[in-house]
Amino acid sequence: KNEVEQSPQNLTAQEGEFITINCSYSVGISALHWLQQHPGGGIVSLFMLSSGKKKHGRLIATINIQEKHSSLHITASHPRDSAVYICAAKKGDTSYDKVIFGPGTSLSVIP
Amino acid sequence: DAGITQSPRHKVTETGTPVTLRCHQTENHRYMYWYRQDPGHGLRLIHYSYGVKDTDKGEVSDGYSVSRSKTEDFLLTLESATSSQTSVYFCAISPPGLNTEAFFGQGTRLTVV
Repeated sequence: KNEVEQSPQNLTAQEGEFITINCSYSVGISALHWLQQHPGGGIVSLFMLSSGKKKHGRLIATINIQEKHSSLHITASHPRDSAVYICAAKKGDTSYDKVIFGPGTSLSVIP
Repeated sequence: DAGITQSPRHKVTETGTPVTLRCHQTENHRYMYWYRQDPGHGLRLIHYSYGVKDTDKGEVSDGYSVSRSKTEDFLLTLESATSSQTSVYFCAISPPGLNTEAFFGQGTRLTVV
């Protein structure tokens, strides 16, 4: 069993739909990092959170430390949101070397 | 966007040849990392650096070496490339501090034929 799992693995949505991507982890962490990767592109940092909720535009990330679970929500989805979303469990407090990456969720938003 | 530049962006090389990938940052961040990304695997850490001339191995370091002679540059070298090293390589940087995030470069697609 992987230490960091994501669901669903693949997701297709119609433009405008509300989307949820889930991340669960089995290790103790200091923070959870959500990343976005467009096809053929680089990796962009979305959120780093250690408790509660963060919001940026149409994106919302939540984390429940007790349940070892985090969710990434996209409201009013748009085709430009099509990308792979990766969660990363950060085990160390300072440097980024003790990080376990999830396998990613591939999102396709259809017009 | 964080100032990270990877070069080259694409490279095709032959088995057995040496290859060096460069990561350059303009953020003066202390930590730098090299990852590889392969289908079916999450990002995996190859090597990282916590300062000039201070480096350490990650989970998939065999066949790779690194050097950091300046804060801004972190080099990844494949001494003798093999087909199993065909991958997309990402450099990342992060500042010190509690729960700071990492910022990634655009990636280098390396094909070993």
